[in-house]
Amino acid sequence: EIVMTQSPLSLPVTPGEPASISCRSSQSLNSKGNNYLDWYLQKPGQSPQLLIYLGSNRASGVPDRFSGSGSGTDFTLKISRVEAKDVGVYYCMQALQTPYDFGQGTKLEIK
Amino acid sequence: QLQLQESGPGLVKPSETLSLTCAVSGGSISSSSHYWVWIRQPPGKGLEWIGSFYYTGTTYYNPSLKSRVTISADMSTNQFSLKLSSVTAADTAVYYCAQYQLLNRWFDPWGQGTLVTVSA
Repeated sequence: EIVMTQSPLSLPVTPGEPASISCRSSQSLNSKGNNYLDWYLQKPGQSPQLLIYLGSNRASGVPDRFSGSGSGTDFTLKISRVEAKDVGVYYCMQALQTPYDFGQGTKLEIK
Repeated sequence: QLQLQESGPGLVKPSETLSLTCAVSGGSISSSSHYWVWIRQPPGKGLEWIGSFYYTGTTYYNPSLKSRVTISADMSTNQFSLKLSSVTAADTAVYYCAQYQLLNRWFDPWGQGTLVTVSA
């Protein structure tokens, strides 16, 4: 089983400021040139929604304020300018192999 | 547009079997490009993948639940189901169904989720 570790677990951000979330996996998520790492956002009272897939690809409809980077075992989700509608819990997830494992979640709140 | 909707009892007694169904509309569970999955989230906690079903009948389960889980599908009604046996209070959670895309390996879309409480 691959263990996913996110930091920080709580992230207070001033609107308009950038934010960054780190995700580390216990083994490399790279296979044949692809990094099998997804990012999801769970807004309050809602189901999780896909933000980023294969480490750095924005899902359809996701604003370009969101970007994913990283390779191997270290990944980062960045929000260039946080808006009030970005509040919620952000999860990384390894999609390399079953069992698919999620990080603990990072709760982003507005200062 | 693909939509998924969970349904089933909101209250299950300890030691009994939890049974949920996910109705899929706007797409077919016979798709060769997708798996169909169940994921759960205990109140106030994180996400846990339960298992996946492929139209050929292939299934994958989380080892932590494997002895108690069965995921199956009814192609005629375009629904897939989750059965979790011998439940305890630790199985209380919001249960989500979702589509898993094989090519890019993502979960999308998700159903709205259904809360199942295990209590006598």
